[in-house]
Amino acid sequence: NAGVTQTPKFRVLKTGQSMTLLCAQDMNHEYMYWYRQDPGMGLRLIHYSVGEGTTAKGEVPDGYNVSRLKKQNFLLGLESAAPSQTSVYFCASSYLETKFFGPGTRLTVL
Amino acid sequence: DAKTTQPNSMESNEEEPVHLPCNHSTISGTDYIHWYRQLPSQGPEYVIHGLTSNVNNRMASLAIAEDRKSSTLILHRATLRDAAVYYCILSSPRPNAGGTSYGKLTFGQGTILTVHP
Repeated sequence: NAGVTQTPKFRVLKTGQSMTLLCAQDMNHEYMYWYRQDPGMGLRLIHYSVGEGTTAKGEVPDGYNVSRLKKQNFLLGLESAAPSQTSVYFCASSYLETKFFGPGTRLTVL
Repeated sequence: DAKTTQPNSMESNEEEPVHLPCNHSTISGTDYIHWYRQLPSQGPEYVIHGLTSNVNNRMASLAIAEDRKSSTLILHRATLRDAAVYYCILSSPRPNAGGTSYGKLTFGQGTILTVHP
């Protein structure tokens, strides 16, 4: 049981490049989330999904898109990366009141 | 969203109890109180949550004030592995799930816990 996994673990992008972060969970959870964590700002919710085929905006959705084509996967896309998107990205899934987080992706945009 | 207030940092000695306070004076009647912790270079880890009554699990205890405007996370015997940032978070219930939180947790600054050997 791997829990929540994220790929890649690290990535460096140039401004304007695009990329997709993959989150996978093997716990059959309905709810999945993407957060970003920046120094001094805690975690902020980017987008979330309440089930396969559904997505919703969180607190800081601008510049990101998401897709939940399969229940176990939640993808976060950056169409045109900006330096302000340099951050650590965490994916999570939840069962009832408990969230399970992945190990994070450290993204640097130059 | 209701906010929480926590001390920036606390220190403890190994094998001593630790009481981490959290104020949430604007909590609504249906908000759950969650605690997560984050070790360096790792994702947040669930610790405990509650609504009105005190809660215990293998990791910690959660004491909730009678008026629910504050709560305390209790680590009964701190170990070096408990050194982490501890987040106290309020979560509103899902609108269509019979009171179950839909999990839009807003993480604040948290409390940095240092444990001394």
